[in-house]
Amino acid sequence: NAGVTQTPKFQVLKTGQSMTLQCAQDMNHEYMSWYRQDPGMGLRLIHYSVGAGITDQGEVPNGYNVSRSTTEDFPLRLLSAAPSQTSVYFCASRGRDRETEAFFGQGTRLTVV
Amino acid sequence: AQKITQTQPGMFVQEKEAVTLDCTYDTSDQSYGLFWYKQPSSGEMIFLIYQGSYDEQNATEGRYSLNFQKARKSANLVISASQLGDSAMYFCAMREIQGAQKLVFGQGTRLTINP
Repeated sequence: NAGVTQTPKFQVLKTGQSMTLQCAQDMNHEYMSWYRQDPGMGLRLIHYSVGAGITDQGEVPNGYNVSRSTTEDFPLRLLSAAPSQTSVYFCASRGRDRETEAFFGQGTRLTVV
Repeated sequence: AQKITQTQPGMFVQEKEAVTLDCTYDTSDQSYGLFWYKQPSSGEMIFLIYQGSYDEQNATEGRYSLNFQKARKSANLVISASQLGDSAMYFCAMREIQGAQKLVFGQGTRLTINP
């Protein structure tokens, strides 16, 4: 029972590099989201998706792209990494039921130097 | 716009005591859900408890209960008989039921249980 799987767990990038954070869930959840967690600021929503082919921006979308070609996968792309994107990134998914909690991946700790 | 406020950056409690973590929220929606998550030092996010805005009774899950005061827009988490393993960051979050149904988090409270 894998739940939400994020890869990689740790990553160091140089400024200007691009990369993709992977997120996959095996619960057939419709809703998927990406958050970043910075010290003292809680979790902030980057992008989210309410189903395959549908994505929208959250609170802090600049510098990130997403796509949702399948129900299972929701990758987050950093187009040109900046030190300000150093953070811990969480992917989450949940079912359609409005009362259901979000299930989180283990997180990806990203450092941009 | 939705907003969650957790005013206690850190709390220190003796083992076996009860502890209340504060959470206030702001929303113009009539229908919403309130969540509490625990984040231990290992980093994962663990769901603790849920309260719907139309639920008349306070939610309870084992040692966790949610003190929901709708008129005051507060949703405090109460942990009874605290244990050393309760030491962690705790986040309050809210999700609107209509519209985009985005989950918004507070800044968190770091709880330390002393033996």
